[in-house]
Amino acid sequence: GNSVTQMEGPVTLSEEAFLTINCTYTATGYPSLFWYVQYPGEGLQLLLKATKADDKGSNKGFEATYRKETTSFHLEKGSVQVSDSAVYFCALSNNTDKLIFGTGTRLQVFP
Amino acid sequence: SAVISQKPSRDICQRGTSLTIQCQVDSQVTMMFWYRQQPGQSLTLIATANQGSEATYESGFVIDKFPISRPNLTFSTLTVSNMSPEDSSIYLCSVDPSRDTQYFGPGTRLTVL
Repeated sequence: GNSVTQMEGPVTLSEEAFLTINCTYTATGYPSLFWYVQYPGEGLQLLLKATKADDKGSNKGFEATYRKETTSFHLEKGSVQVSDSAVYFCALSNNTDKLIFGTGTRLQVFP
Repeated sequence: SAVISQKPSRDICQRGTSLTIQCQVDSQVTMMFWYRQQPGQSLTLIATANQGSEATYESGFVIDKFPISRPNLTFSTLTVSNMSPEDSSIYLCSVDPSRDTQYFGPGTRLTVL
């Protein structure tokens, strides 16, 4: 079946540090891949997405590349800010209308 | 994309009562989704609601506990019935206007005492 595995958090970084949050998936065919972000006390916001192999999604300085050979969609940012502190969810959609979410990774950025 | 609002934003309820959550979208959409996010957990799909038909529930969720209405293409309600403390969660609705990306509302934070 379809599934998403994310690295466990919390991830704790100092401001301006490099961020990587690992995400791998299991799916048949060619799923679409997503990163959503949930800021404290808020709902989910779409951060970025990629719909086919080697696509790179990017937004607000965050990037993720759809790697079919490693079934991965790792989230990266070159220099994090305190305002990036949130929970990040990796998700996939595989030719259905359903989203399969990972468990979420909490990021804490300190000044 | 889509702009989604939910009411109420939060509520504290007594066990045994019911709460109806509203979800309003700024454009017509075919499918709306309801999710539950238990404290510190990821999102779990409760059901998919299409206008003019019965909602489709995921394994572990039943209509008697979570009745859903979808009277038109911009609105849906989810009722949490006969609540217990285990129902304390964030309930989120989402839409997929172009059948390739889901957009979420701000969520309803429910606490059951």
